[in-house]
Amino acid sequence: EAQVTQNPRYLITVTGKKLTVTCSQNMNHEYMSWYRQDPGLGLRQIYYSMNVEVTDKGDVPEGYKVSRKEKRNFPLILESPSPNQTSLYFCASSFGTSGNYEQFFGPGTRLTVL
Amino acid sequence: GQQLNQSPQSMFIQEGEDVSMNCTSSSIFNTWLWYKQDPGEGPVLLIALYKAGELTSNGRLTAQFGITRKDSFLNISASIPSDVGIYFCAGQLGNNNDMRFGAGTRLTVKP
Repeated sequence: EAQVTQNPRYLITVTGKKLTVTCSQNMNHEYMSWYRQDPGLGLRQIYYSMNVEVTDKGDVPEGYKVSRKEKRNFPLILESPSPNQTSLYFCASSFGTSGNYEQFFGPGTRLTVL
Repeated sequence: GQQLNQSPQSMFIQEGEDVSMNCTSSSIFNTWLWYKQDPGEGPVLLIALYKAGELTSNGRLTAQFGITRKDSFLNISASIPSDVGIYFCAGQLGNNNDMRFGAGTRLTVKP
């Protein structure tokens, strides 16, 4: 089944404790992206990647890191999480090299930073 | 920051009614995409628009890419209970490859 998977689905952590949210897609997509969703703000893009080893900042990259060492994986790293990073996070992928084409979204990761 | 203005924020309608929502921006967008998000899930693409003036239908859904490339609307005809959800517009901004999403329109359909 073609899909985007994220882990973990739920995470409660404390300020300053490094964490990684994994994202994997099995559709051989070039483009992958991370978004955060907050009430009243919709989805805001954090980082995106057009191909292996190519990553770029989105709208709200501060406090986040990403890597794209393999085509299928695009982990989101929070080196020192803070409470304002409490949010619902979505990973997405697309067959093109931009978000212009249909993006397939993962099920989401709900992160709480205490 | 947010560069798409989506309205209305929420709608409460009766089953069978038509729905209209729109997105506007002061910036030019190269594409407009409309997504729907069901509770507890990620957004799913409904309609994609790639040319200014383009009018596209997908079943009961119709969307248009504004001539100025700064706006788009989505219409849903004869709404049904499963239309409930949050609808987002999204677009590629200018010459960048990053994407912008509207804040969403939460639709409630009363049987």
